[in-house]
Amino acid sequence: DAGVIQSPRHEVTEMGQEVTLRCKPISGHNSLFWYRQTMMRGLELLIYFNNNVPIDDSGMPEDRFSAKMPNASFSTLKIQPSEPRDSAVYFCASSLHRESQPQHFGDGTRLSIL
Amino acid sequence: SQQGEEDPQALSIQEGENATMNCSYKTSINNLQWYRQNSGRGLVHLILIRSNEREKHSGRLRVTLDTSKKSSSLLITASRAADTASYFCATEDGSSNTGKLIFGQGTTLQVKP
Repeated sequence: DAGVIQSPRHEVTEMGQEVTLRCKPISGHNSLFWYRQTMMRGLELLIYFNNNVPIDDSGMPEDRFSAKMPNASFSTLKIQPSEPRDSAVYFCASSLHRESQPQHFGDGTRLSIL
Repeated sequence: SQQGEEDPQALSIQEGENATMNCSYKTSINNLQWYRQNSGRGLVHLILIRSNEREKHSGRLRVTLDTSKKSSSLLITASRAADTASYFCATEDGSSNTGKLIFGQGTTLQVKP
């Protein structure tokens, strides 16, 4: 069975450009999480969805960041405009929305903003 | 803020030795989970221990949980070079049922052949 699929795997762009990261969760999972990982701050939860509805976006750093989940099989994380400090690895994870369920991670998008 | 704090930050051992990593947390939890991350890859779930459990085994992995001390340990026995990775503990908040996890900073394990 396919795992969580993220695209692109790598993205290099200039500051000020719009960046869109994509995620396809595991079929049947109804919770989806976006994380950001940096050496300085570790793994940070940005936002998570249950049944396509955003539940907690308190981790989203600024209004430049937005996330959507138009259906159960697709989510996007958008940064507009991008800045060099947004450079990081962004992970998407999915799980079943029940207590004590493991999260399944994609392999991430390595984002570099020049 | 990070809930879990791992100790040590880095660990280097020889193949065949045991590796022990510790995790401390601050609030009540539903469960504590351990994940592994190989370089350039996403996190992979290893084992979950519920708040009413004290010890759990899975293959060469042994996890303990002491809720009175708010701490957990992960033991990898008979380590292999393939165990080289970063290991993270993550806690699920006991006051909610959201599935939201808080991750620690991780322990980087190097197993030398």
